[in-house]
Amino acid sequence: GIQVEQSPPDLILQEGANSTLRCNFSDSVNNLQWFHQNPWGQLINLFYIPSGTKQNGRLSATTVATERYSLLYISSSQTTDSGVYFCAVGNYQLIWGAGTKLIIKP
Amino acid sequence: KAGVTQTPRYLIKTRGQQVTLSCSPISGHRSVSWYQQTPGQGLQFLFEYFSETQRNKGNFPGRFSGRQFSNSRSEMNVSTLELGDSALYLCASSYQGGDRDRREGNTIYFGEGSWLTVV
Repeated sequence: GIQVEQSPPDLILQEGANSTLRCNFSDSVNNLQWFHQNPWGQLINLFYIPSGTKQNGRLSATTVATERYSLLYISSSQTTDSGVYFCAVGNYQLIWGAGTKLIIKP
Repeated sequence: KAGVTQTPRYLIKTRGQQVTLSCSPISGHRSVSWYQQTPGQGLQFLFEYFSETQRNKGNFPGRFSGRQFSNSRSEMNVSTLELGDSALYLCASSYQGGDRDRREGNTIYFGEGSWLTVV
């Protein structure tokens, strides 16, 4: 089955810093989504991005399907960005990466 | 519009008991999927229902079951609870199908989850 690897596993930054999170996947996919899980467990969908680039405020994502990776960019980090960021690929059954735990210090 | 609603939010059960969790998807969404999240195993897919039919199933024992009703609401049941079933159970819904799907893709939306503790 498809393997999903996320890096780095942990990331600690000061407020205001920029960050790049990476998601590698082992096979062609037609569905890739990025999620943020806050400290209370709520999973929020950030992007549906099987290919191309999208931006939403301080967040943007790029997926290069031919090279089987996706990047999530967070600019001007805020403490509310803390949590775990997941990449998931698939269609009816999403395969999840292990996540990147992001801590933003004030 | 209302998001995905899961009930109950928190519950404590004893080993050997059974539990039923409920999920109301976003209005108009026909697909409901369930996930189990534990610190050790991460997010694992349980099953997915579409129009009252189970389309996909993860690698969980038969103690885990689910169903979907005609109004797309879904329930999952875990029988003969074990300590290892303690987890956050997440429900997600998506539209899937038709013109709207081409705009939204298969974007899925999660509920807040049900925290189950088995003692």
